[in-house]
Amino acid sequence: SAVISQKPSRDICQRGTSLTIQCQVDSQVTMMFWYRQQPGQSLTLIATANQGSEATYESGFVIDKFPISRPNLTFSTLTVSNMSPEDSSIYLCSGVADNYGYTFGSGTRLTVV
Amino acid sequence: GQSLEQPSEVTAVEGAIVQINCTYQTSGFYGLSWYQQHDGGAPTFLSYNALDGLEETGRFSSFLSRSDSYGYLLLQELQMKDSASYFCAVGDAGNMLTFGGGTRLMVKP
Repeated sequence: SAVISQKPSRDICQRGTSLTIQCQVDSQVTMMFWYRQQPGQSLTLIATANQGSEATYESGFVIDKFPISRPNLTFSTLTVSNMSPEDSSIYLCSGVADNYGYTFGSGTRLTVV
Repeated sequence: GQSLEQPSEVTAVEGAIVQINCTYQTSGFYGLSWYQQHDGGAPTFLSYNALDGLEETGRFSSFLSRSDSYGYLLLQELQMKDSASYFCAVGDAGNMLTFGGGTRLMVKP
């Protein structure tokens, strides 16, 4: 299965600033997704990262707040913009190839102060 | 939409067998998956059921009954390292997964 490198692994950011999270996959995946997870909670889908076009966002998430890029089949970024303490969470990218199992990046633990 | 229910917490002793149940309501169903997540780690894929029946992978087995919208993950010969959170998830036609709330499994000596 694919291996996904995600960075940064953690960051502490000032409110009002932005953070870009990167995910690099070691092989081509057909689909890439971005999730958010509060510690001890489930995973909530933010958006599907579409190659070469705008991401598809889930209800409650908007492009201005969470711009996503996916320039090719192996790389994607998520930016958390104009951060507030409510954005403190773990952000995870994931990819799926032709099998049925998602592979996840190691996650980015974001704290906004 | 999709919704999944699973117990929030299960406790068992080393060497025992534990079953984690998952019931779901979906507008479209393309399989039930299970993921394991250790504290501070990323979810890792365990198993997938698209059709009714039992899938076995080593100490772990997963079962699906589509008519009952129900599945379970069975962990045998429990080890301390199995202490983790376990998530069931259902997929849709777009390959997107919706995750259950997670079951925290604590294995005691």
